[in-house]
Amino acid sequence: SAVISQKPSRDICQRGTSLTIQCQVDSQVTMMFWYRQQPGQSLTLIATANQGSEATYESGFVIDKFPISRPNLTFSTLTVSNMSPEDSSIYLCSVEEQEKGYYGYTFGSGTRLTVV
Amino acid sequence: ILNVEQSPQSLHVQEGDSTNFTCSFPSSNFYALHWYRWETAKSPEALFVMTLNGDEKKKGRISATLNTKEGYSYLYIKGSQPEDSATYLCASAVRGYALNFGKGTSLLVTP
Repeated sequence: SAVISQKPSRDICQRGTSLTIQCQVDSQVTMMFWYRQQPGQSLTLIATANQGSEATYESGFVIDKFPISRPNLTFSTLTVSNMSPEDSSIYLCSVEEQEKGYYGYTFGSGTRLTVV
Repeated sequence: ILNVEQSPQSLHVQEGDSTNFTCSFPSSNFYALHWYRWETAKSPEALFVMTLNGDEKKKGRISATLNTKEGYSYLYIKGSQPEDSATYLCASAVRGYALNFGKGTSLLVTP
């Protein structure tokens, strides 16, 4: 299965600033996903990113707050803009891989973000 | 979005104990049920992908069952070891590509 390198692994940021999280995959993948887990909550899908098209955002998430880039089939970035303490979460990227007729998902190791 | 529920929220067992967790999910439009094991600062590790009603899968001391008609899955760990300590996540794939996660069960196994 694919191997994903996600950076940074953690960061502490001031409110009002922005942080860009990167995910590099060791193989070409069509679909990449960005999730967030707020404290005590489920992993929640932020958006789906396909190469060559705009990301598709889930309800409650907007492009101005979470701009995503997908310049090629092995790389994507998620920016958390104008941060507030409510953005303190673990952010994960994920790729979809088809195995034996169904879809499996591989994850990066996560970015633990604290906004102060 | 219909919720995936996991219970218990946390569990503390002694080394050697066997344990199990429950995942309930919406049975309508079911596509697949995923189990992951997530240790702090690591990537969630895929344990099982289950698609058929009555499916049972096993990986070493860990096994899982699936009931798609009533919308639940059980994860079993036989003879728990300290290295089994992690958060166990289940996720329902409804649309076929987007995972809907539960909040997880946090397992602590002490020697």
